[in-house]
Amino acid sequence: DTGVSQNPRHKITKRGQNVTFRCDPISEHNRLYWYRQTLGQGPEFLTYFQNEAQLEKSRLLSDRFSAERPKGSFSTLEIQRTEQGDSAMYLCASSRGAGNNEKLFFGSGTQLSVL
Amino acid sequence: DAKTTQPPSMDCAEGRAANLPCNHSTISGNEYVYWYRQIHSQGPQYIIHGLKNNETNEMASLIITEDRKSSTLILPHATLRDTAVYYCIVPIMDSNYQLIWGAGTKLIIKP
Repeated sequence: DTGVSQNPRHKITKRGQNVTFRCDPISEHNRLYWYRQTLGQGPEFLTYFQNEAQLEKSRLLSDRFSAERPKGSFSTLEIQRTEQGDSAMYLCASSRGAGNNEKLFFGSGTQLSVL
Repeated sequence: DAKTTQPPSMDCAEGRAANLPCNHSTISGNEYVYWYRQIHSQGPQYIIHGLKNNETNEMASLIITEDRKSSTLILPHATLRDTAVYYCIVPIMDSNYQLIWGAGTKLIIKP
């Protein structure tokens, strides 16, 4: 069990640029989640995958955000035309997927700064 | 909106038991209570969860009231490394068990 891995740890970009983050979940975990967290707040749900299927997406999620999980393994989160308000910590989590009795394992996150 | 209510901050002396309360008065009969913590600049870490009975593991104990409307997380012998934000969460069943996070309790362990 090597844990959830996220890359890069930090990303600085200029407004209007596109950025992509990667998440490698714990192997054999079939659920993968993306969250966003700003300073002083708890994580905010963005989207989640059951294997390769994206099953839920937050209504608050701008269409500039897109996530994929090809082959049900790693996942990528892309933000197009970044805005300063996108600056946040982006967290990935995975779980075995057992209904309402499951533990989420989080990565260390990617800290995005949009200048 | 979060389904739980927690105090924004608490202090505890090193070596003493830290008791973190959480109210979840609208919890349904088959919804679990989860606790996570987040140390600065790290992702959240699972601590413990429970349904009705009290639970204990190597990290903490979870005491759930008989009516299930509140719970207490107990760190029996707090250390400086337990300084973190602690989140009490009840997954929302009608949304694929999504976790809705509040602001949590900032626990500061003092030497």
